[in-house]
Amino acid sequence: EPEVTQTPSHQVTQMGQEVILRCVPISNHLYFYWYRQILGQKVEFLVSFYNNEISEKSEIFDDQFSVERPDGSNFTLKIRSTKLEDSAMYFCASSEQGIGTYNEQFFGPGTRLTVL
Amino acid sequence: AQTVTQSQPEMSVQEAETVTLSCTYDTSESDYYLFWYKQPPSRQMILVIRQEAYKQQNATENRFSVNFQKAAKSFSLKISDSQLGDAAMYFCVLYGGSQGNLIFGKGTKLSVKP
Repeated sequence: EPEVTQTPSHQVTQMGQEVILRCVPISNHLYFYWYRQILGQKVEFLVSFYNNEISEKSEIFDDQFSVERPDGSNFTLKIRSTKLEDSAMYFCASSEQGIGTYNEQFFGPGTRLTVL
Repeated sequence: AQTVTQSQPEMSVQEAETVTLSCTYDTSESDYYLFWYKQPPSRQMILVIRQEAYKQQNATENRFSVNFQKAAKSFSLKISDSQLGDAAMYFCVLYGGSQGNLIFGKGTKLSVKP
C-alpha cells in the first residue's frame, strides 16, 4: 500500500543553521501539507501546497520557512535559520484532492527536529 | 476560529473491553467532516473513522464507532472488544471544508492492558 515517507527520522541542528526536511508524497496525490507538533502540544497546520505554489499557510509559517517541490517526487520544508522553538515533530501529508472536497490526508511518520 | 478539544490526555482499557474517547469541537462551517486518527508508537497517523456532518447516522468501522451529536458539537469514539494493537495516541480532527487544513485535538493516549 502506498505510503508517505519522510527523511530523516531525526535531525539535530545548531540554532541558526538551515535545515531541510524531506517528504515523498503518495505518487498520484496533488496536494501536500506540512504540520508540526511541539512536544506536549497539538498538531498544528503549517502550509498546504498545490500546483507548485502555496495554497494556504498559517501564522506559524513565517519568512523563515519555505516549501518546494524540486522534482516530481519530493516535497521539502526548509527552515532558514532555526530557533530553539522550532524543535518539534514535523509531519508531511498528502491528499488526492484539497480544498472544498472531502480530503483524506495521508501522513508520513514524521521528522523529529531538535534545535540545540 | 475552529477548535477541537480532547479532555482526556490518557485512557486505559482492559483487553476485550469497551472504551469511549471524548471530543468536542467548534466550527461555524455548515459543511464539515470529523475524523479520528490513530498514531501507534513510532508510526504514522492513520485514519480510523470519518463522519460527514450532513449525515445523521453515526459512522461505524468494524470495532470502531462514533457518537456524533451535532447540536452539542460532540464526537466521541467507541472502541469495542479492545485489542493490544489498539494502543496508540488517538486524535480527534476537524476538516472545515472552506480551508484545506485539518484542525487537531491534543490527543488521547490509549493503553490496553492484557
